[in-house]
Amino acid sequence: QSALTQTRSVSGSPGQSVTISCTGTSSDIGRFNLVSWYQRRPGKIPKVLIYDVTKRPSGVPDRFSGSRSGNTASLTISGLQAEDEGDYFCCAYGGNFDLLFGGGTELTVL
Amino acid sequence: EVQLVESGGAVVQPGGSLRLSCTASGFNFDDYTMYWVRQTPRKGLEWVALIWGDGRTSYFADSMRGRFTISRDNGKDSLYLQIHNLRPDDTALYHCVKEGVSGWWLDVWGRGTSVTVSP
Repeated sequence: QSALTQTRSVSGSPGQSVTISCTGTSSDIGRFNLVSWYQRRPGKIPKVLIYDVTKRPSGVPDRFSGSRSGNTASLTISGLQAEDEGDYFCCAYGGNFDLLFGGGTELTVL
Repeated sequence: EVQLVESGGAVVQPGGSLRLSCTASGFNFDDYTMYWVRQTPRKGLEWVALIWGDGRTSYFADSMRGRFTISRDNGKDSLYLQIHNLRPDDTALYHCVKEGVSGWWLDVWGRGTSVTVSP
């Protein structure tokens, strides 16, 4: 069982928006501005999409955005494209030099 | 271009040991904290360990403490993971990862090296 809880799967049609949530506790997501999101497409290595809750590394399209409310972080993908299909993982600093992952959310583009 | 290339993965019997290596290029290796992260179809992504740039401090996930050792050789731009007393649930793809500048996020990933623990 993963430390952070993610919905197992989401789906959307091209052009739509989807939001993936990641629930932790007041000791991790709710306490530190250290939430990141990773995309794992079939046959590819994981790629960072968001770090520090809302920041995007250079090269990541602004269709990807991060937010947080209380102990839940969210990744929103707008203007969904077929190439967005894959698995998405949240990650958060858990305090005491511990890094936590969510179990992953499978995104299907219909 | 930043590159991380892992090696050393193998098929090993339960109870065996293995040393994984990662060679880095394209950045000042000793300026960065480095991580090992493993992935499996069942568990997804799992943090294993990290080591600071000077190599003096390392941290492990609770479930990894004791059987895993992380080290680095900054003169060779290399990162290592030693795993002892391997168990079937250690079967995974092990990635070497460079930390992002602001800390506690995973910036650049290697392709991984595969470890299979089977009788």
